[in-house]
Amino acid sequence: RKEVEQDPGPFNVPEGATVAFNCTYSNSASQSFFWYRQDCRKEPKLLMSVYSSGNEDGRFTAQLNRASQYISLLIRDSKLSDSATYLCVVNGINTDKLIFGTGTRLQVFP
Amino acid sequence: GAVVSQHPSRVICKSGTSVKIECRSLDFQATTMFWYRQFPKQSLMLMATSNEGSKATYEQGVEKDKFLINHASLTLSTLTVTSAHPEDSSFYICSASQTDTQYFGPGTRLTVL
Repeated sequence: RKEVEQDPGPFNVPEGATVAFNCTYSNSASQSFFWYRQDCRKEPKLLMSVYSSGNEDGRFTAQLNRASQYISLLIRDSKLSDSATYLCVVNGINTDKLIFGTGTRLQVFP
Repeated sequence: GAVVSQHPSRVICKSGTSVKIECRSLDFQATTMFWYRQFPKQSLMLMATSNEGSKATYEQGVEKDKFLINHASLTLSTLTVTSAHPEDSSFYICSASQTDTQYFGPGTRLTVL
């Protein structure tokens, strides 16, 4: 089983739609969780950290369920510029190492 | 956010040659940097953790004699791919930690002919 699993997509949605991505992780001891965004042939960029209480940043909402080892990202009012691959990222105990999911590709169309 | 640069951004080389990639933290000091590799349509895979002033820590399956890492200063880590072969063609990305966040360099696309 992969350490971080994501549905690869692609998710094709119209502008203005709401879309949700899910991610599961295998190590129950993982401590920090993130969503990164990666554009084609570019480096990943941090979108947001994910906290146990859930957190929101504008149109983006992240949720963490430790019991189910599940992380989600909700994007409201999708924009064309949201088209990218969204990477679920986890790190472990006492380490800076990041473990990346394979990413979920989002394509927003007009 | 913090800035990390990589050089070169793209390199094409012949099989058997060595290629050096530089990773610099431009506006902060990083005692730890990380080197990743990403093949098409796959996730980033951590290759090694680069520690300033000491030996790098390599992930399982990564040959330390083939991927030489040097972290000579708090702002510079280098990855040298020795005797490169076509299967080493990939996107190599470094990152550097500041507080709890890793900042990524723009990546180096290596093509070995």
